[in-house]
Amino acid sequence: DQQVKQNSPSLSVQEGRISILNCDYTNSMFDYFLWYKKYPAEGPTFLISISSIKDKNEDGRFTVFLNKSAKHLSLHIVPSQPGDSAVYFCAASRRGRAGKSTFGDGTTLTVKP
Amino acid sequence: NAGVTQTPKFQVLKTGQSMTLQCAQDMNHEYMSWYRQDPGMGLRLIHYSVGAGITDQGEVPNGYNVSRSTTEDFPLRLLSAAPSQTSVYFCASSYRSGAEPRGEKLFFGSGTQLSVL
Repeated sequence: DQQVKQNSPSLSVQEGRISILNCDYTNSMFDYFLWYKKYPAEGPTFLISISSIKDKNEDGRFTVFLNKSAKHLSLHIVPSQPGDSAVYFCAASRRGRAGKSTFGDGTTLTVKP
Repeated sequence: NAGVTQTPKFQVLKTGQSMTLQCAQDMNHEYMSWYRQDPGMGLRLIHYSVGAGITDQGEVPNGYNVSRSTTEDFPLRLLSAAPSQTSVYFCASSYRSGAEPRGEKLFFGSGTQLSVL
């Protein structure tokens, strides 16, 4: 039973347009939802997070939206840049248990110049 | 700032061999974890630790051992390597933020690519 799902393995967008990456989860006990970005041959790096008590968190070009009733979150990147091309992982954790984060399978984003 | 350091970066083993993947962090983080990533899949938790002397199993612990004798180090031991353990292994550390809105993010090492023949 996969608790965190990213149903789109890949996404391709034009530079300057919006990228929307989606994530669904099944466990209503999660307290935090995080997005990580991963380049080839590197470890994932933290991008942005949102608490379960919020519905939106914004950091520069990146915004994460949380819909608890639908158990769905999305990452918006506006405007998209070629350097954003990477694999994006959605993850979820409970408070005090970051070391036990549960990850989705990732979405490969390609931003075309 | 070294962050999380993993060694080696690449390793090839024969079936049945044992080895230890090293992980060290210099951020004084309480939590450390080991994940594996298989092609087309997300990261799956192998073992984790909430502090020195305390470890617990994750989602896929079979075939692996860990210990945490210091805050800084969290080695992962493969007892008898099998081809199914061919994967990329990531070590991560985190701290207990205790406050909104930072959440509890993980800091990852650069990974160890392991091939078992």
